[in-house]
Amino acid sequence: KQEVTQIPAALSVPEGENLVLNCSFTDSAIYNLQWFRQDPGKGLTSLLLIQSSQREQTSGRLNASLDKSSGRSTLYIAASQPGDSATYLCAVRQVGGSEKLVFGKGTKLTVNP
Amino acid sequence: GAGVSQTPSNKVTEKGKYVELRCDPISGHTALYWYRQSLGQGPEFLIYFQGTGAADDSGLPNDRFFAVRPEGSVSTLKIQRTERGDSAVYLCASSLISGADTQYFGPGTRLTVL
Repeated sequence: KQEVTQIPAALSVPEGENLVLNCSFTDSAIYNLQWFRQDPGKGLTSLLLIQSSQREQTSGRLNASLDKSSGRSTLYIAASQPGDSATYLCAVRQVGGSEKLVFGKGTKLTVNP
Repeated sequence: GAGVSQTPSNKVTEKGKYVELRCDPISGHTALYWYRQSLGQGPEFLIYFQGTGAADDSGLPNDRFFAVRPEGSVSTLKIQRTERGDSAVYLCASSLISGADTQYFGPGTRLTVL
């Protein structure tokens, strides 16, 4: 059974700092890995999706990497801003036909002005 | 265009009651997913529809939970004999076609069972 773990559970940083969020998964037979952002009372917003054949994806100040063989992904946020404060969730989609996403518990990020 | 919408946004009910949660997917999306997110946890998969049929219902926790999508658009998640442990945020997502990479999530319905 696939298990996704995110470390740390919570992170508080001053504005402007670069930071890394970590995600690990137990079964490397994944179709893709996705990072989401969740704001309180709102749904999930997809940030970056990395296919299993890819090593990284970039969007603006965000960069996500994937090392499938070791079961790890990182989300790098450059020059953090207070508006980045949210919970960040990592999710994997398994190879094998199931459409479901398996999520980690998330990292709650607070960027202080 | 409009995103995924869910109604109600909040539902408070008493233990033992029946509840229905509604999801309106993005127009034209053929795949629809239900997830449940308990406090402090990530979303957990419940069921996935392709068109009108449930393609994967392996995440439904027990037979008190049932979902339908009779016309291949709107879906209703039904919970019978609610228990306090059912309290959670129920999230719905849709994607354009089965196998499409991006699932678009709604804001969720917060269910509280007293």
